[in-house]
Amino acid sequence: AQSVAQPEDQVNVAEGNPLTVKCTYSVSGNPYLFWYVQYPNRGLQFLLKYITGDNLVKGSYGFEAEFNKSQTSFHLKKPSALVSDSALYFCAVRDSGSGNTGKLIFGQGTTLQVKP
Amino acid sequence: NAGVTQTPKFQVLKTGQSMTLQCAQDMNHNSMYWYRQDPGMGLRLIYYSASEGTTDKGEVPNGYNVSRLNKREFSLRLESAAPSQTSVYFCASSEIDRASQPQHFGDGTRLSIL
Repeated sequence: AQSVAQPEDQVNVAEGNPLTVKCTYSVSGNPYLFWYVQYPNRGLQFLLKYITGDNLVKGSYGFEAEFNKSQTSFHLKKPSALVSDSALYFCAVRDSGSGNTGKLIFGQGTTLQVKP
Repeated sequence: NAGVTQTPKFQVLKTGQSMTLQCAQDMNHNSMYWYRQDPGMGLRLIYYSASEGTTDKGEVPNGYNVSRLNKREFSLRLESAAPSQTSVYFCASSEIDRASQPQHFGDGTRLSIL
């Protein structure tokens, strides 16, 4: 069965320190992977995606993610965290059994708390 | 530049009442989706519409119906609301035949069923 796991419910980091939000996936075929961010009382906003090519992908707001095929992981990273990065982060993978419909399977989300 | 618009933003219902959640997108996307978000469970797909005129069940379709009114609009109906349907509902859209493209989300409808 296809799935996405975010093993940490919450990640705490001090402002200015690097941050990592973890994601592992299980999917048949080549994965299409996405990260989204959700601020309070808002919808999800797209941050970045991995489809093919370079394993390190760069996205919005200084975020990047590293695709690791052998570890089936797609961890979100940022070199220097900001208090404004505090939000709920979701990892998602395309449902490869859905043809080309774009259906996604989401992880349960990780709350990032950046303290001043 | 509205993107995906959902109405209403908040709603309180009594058990057994019916309600339709509205969603419209102005990005000329063909595919639209309805999700529910519950604490600790991420987003779960209720129904989706790959293109105008088609709808399909997602992971948690029971208790819901959908209508793809036209290319822009995709509504979600609760025929007889139950407390278990208390949740935040999100509508999203994406380009057809572009599984590599991200989905765009509305700001959600917060639904409470008493």
